Amino acid sequence: QVQLVQSGAEVKKPGASVKVSCKASGYTFTSYDINWVRQATGQGLEWMGWMNPNSGNTGYAQKFQGRVTITRNTSISTAYMELSSLRSEDTAVYYCARDREMDVWGKGTTVTVSS
Amino acid sequence: DIQMTQSPSSLSASVGDRVTITCQASHDISGYLNWYQQKPGQAPKLLIYDVSDLVTGVPSRFRGSGSGTAFSITISSLQPEDIATYYCQQYHSLPFTFGPGTKVDIK
Repeated sequence: QVQLVQSGAEVKKPGASVKVSCKASGYTFTSYDINWVRQATGQGLEWMGWMNPNSGNTGYAQKFQGRVTITRNTSISTAYMELSSLRSEDTAVYYCARDREMDVWGKGTTVTVSS
Repeated sequence: DIQMTQSPSSLSASVGDRVTITCQASHDISGYLNWYQQKPGQAPKLLIYDVSDLVTGVPSRFRGSGSGTAFSITISSLQPEDIATYYCQQYHSLPFTFGPGTKVDIK
């Protein structure tokens, strides 16, 4: 079946970087965009950025420009989201989601930023 | 950026009630509007895409409508399994943006 499997929870110190992976299966990875969305505890959904896995083209929310990088490895059907210069406010669950309709979601990766 | 607002922010209704959540976009987004349902501890789930198209398997009691800047989702007969937070989201232009969510409870 179509699914996105994300990497496990991370604990990072302020100032560090985190790289979350999202492995696609059950469909052709390069045929659908990948979005990254985060959600702090008790808060709403926040779109971070997008990538076309075929071309590698990306787009980021202004809020994260310069701190977020979305990449992919097509040979293993995996997308990555790296967030740098972490601060406590980046503590959240990070999701990958397929295509503009976000019709398939990963289960989420909890990133905790704490000294 | 296109701002999305939703109302109400929360509601409490009885089983069998008709429930409507509205979503307003700050600019015309044509038909590029999705609705998601999120239950506690779970990832969001796409319910309705392109304003009114139901995802396969979503009960027919869910209905989406609207155009331009004003949209809504209606649950014709609220069921206990519909308890969740509902988000609208535009994908007319980057950055894609979500509404703040509407939490639905059973009275």
